[in-house]
Amino acid sequence: GIQVEQSPPDLILQEGANSTLRCNFSDSVNNLQWFHQNPWGQLINLFYIPSGTKQNGRLSATTVATERYSLLYISSSQTTDSGVYFCAAAPRDSNYQLIWGAGTKLIIKP
Amino acid sequence: KAGVTQTPRYLIKTRGQQVTLSCSPISGHRSVSWYQQTPGQGLQFLFEYFSETQRNKGNFPGRFSGRQFSNSRSEMNVSTLELGDSALYLCASSPHGSTGELFFGEGSRLTVL
Repeated sequence: GIQVEQSPPDLILQEGANSTLRCNFSDSVNNLQWFHQNPWGQLINLFYIPSGTKQNGRLSATTVATERYSLLYISSSQTTDSGVYFCAAAPRDSNYQLIWGAGTKLIIKP
Repeated sequence: KAGVTQTPRYLIKTRGQQVTLSCSPISGHRSVSWYQQTPGQGLQFLFEYFSETQRNKGNFPGRFSGRQFSNSRSEMNVSTLELGDSALYLCASSPHGSTGELFFGEGSRLTVL
């Protein structure tokens, strides 16, 4: 089955810094989603991005489906950006569950 | 538009007991998916309900079950609790299905003693 890998696994930055999180997937996908899990456990939907680029404030995401990767950019990091970022892919050959990456744990220091 | 509501948020049970968790999806969403999250195993798909029917199921024992009502609210039940069932249980609402755009509730954190 499809494999979804995220890098880096951990990232520690100072407030104000920019970061790029990567999600690689081993096979074709129908869609790709990015989520932020806050310290209280809630998963927040950031982007639903099968291909192309989307932006939402300080966050943007790009998926290059033909090369099987997606990137999440966070600019001017704030302490509230801390948490775990997950990507999840919907495989082309399965229509019932997403395949999740292991996550990138981001810590933003004041 | 109200988000996904999960209740209870926190609960403590003992081994052998059973537990029922509730999830109210976003209005108009007919799909509800349930996930278990543990530190060691990450996010694991439990099952999906769509229009009152279980459409998909993950690899969990029969002690884990669920249902969906006509108003799309869903419940999941775990019987004969084990220590390893301690986890964060997350519910996701979607207009299209378990592989579509998902919107999660705040989760129910279960501790089994």
